[in-house]
Amino acid sequence: QSVLTQPPSVSAAPGQKVTISCFGSSSNIANNYVSWYQQLPGTAPKLLIFDNNIRPSGIPDRFSGSKSGTSATLGITGLQTGDEADYYCGTWDSSLSGVVFGGGTRLTVL
Amino acid sequence: QLQLQESGPRLVKPSETLSLTCTVSGVSIISSSYYWGWIRQPPGKGLEWIGSIYYSGTTYYNPSLKSRVTISVDTSNHQFSLQLSSVTAADTAVFYCARMYSGGWFWPPPNFYFDYWGQGTLVTVSS
Repeated sequence: QSVLTQPPSVSAAPGQKVTISCFGSSSNIANNYVSWYQQLPGTAPKLLIFDNNIRPSGIPDRFSGSKSGTSATLGITGLQTGDEADYYCGTWDSSLSGVVFGGGTRLTVL
Repeated sequence: QLQLQESGPRLVKPSETLSLTCTVSGVSIISSSYYWGWIRQPPGKGLEWIGSIYYSGTTYYNPSLKSRVTISVDTSNHQFSLQLSSVTAADTAVFYCARMYSGGWFWPPPNFYFDYWGQGTLVTVSS
């Protein structure tokens, strides 16, 4: 059971927009930066967003991140079939004294 | 081009110690802005942070695994290693090594993220 709660799955049609939520608490998201990772099938996770809303070089601006209070959100616009993957949020948890990840959200592009 | 590569036995017997090494290439492991970490992912499940090490050898572990984990660094060979003792079937997972941006040696880092990952290696615990 993850301390960061993500929906198990989301889906949308190609070209549409989707948001993936990550719910936490005052011991994690509220007081720490959030990062997001994309894991394509059979591959290692890849950094998508860091420091809540910053995209690393090479990540298209279709991907965006935001944070408000105890929750964070990953947004993906102009969905492509190649975006089908598992998405994870991550941050620090001061109560657990460790790095924590959400349980992951599987994106299906219908 | 920064690359990380995990290596080690793919099959470990219950109660024994799992040992993996991550070899870093394309960048120095001696960097003031980064820790080096291990993350695991049981089949079909999510990510779990195991621990991180600074080039100086300072380590921080997941409290839930701390009693069984040792992470070490060998700067001369550009490697860092993981040992997980007294393994059971529940420790079967894909193990990833990754570079962890931390901005410095402070812990916990004011902001961090894992920016480069190895391809991962599946380690099965079975007799």
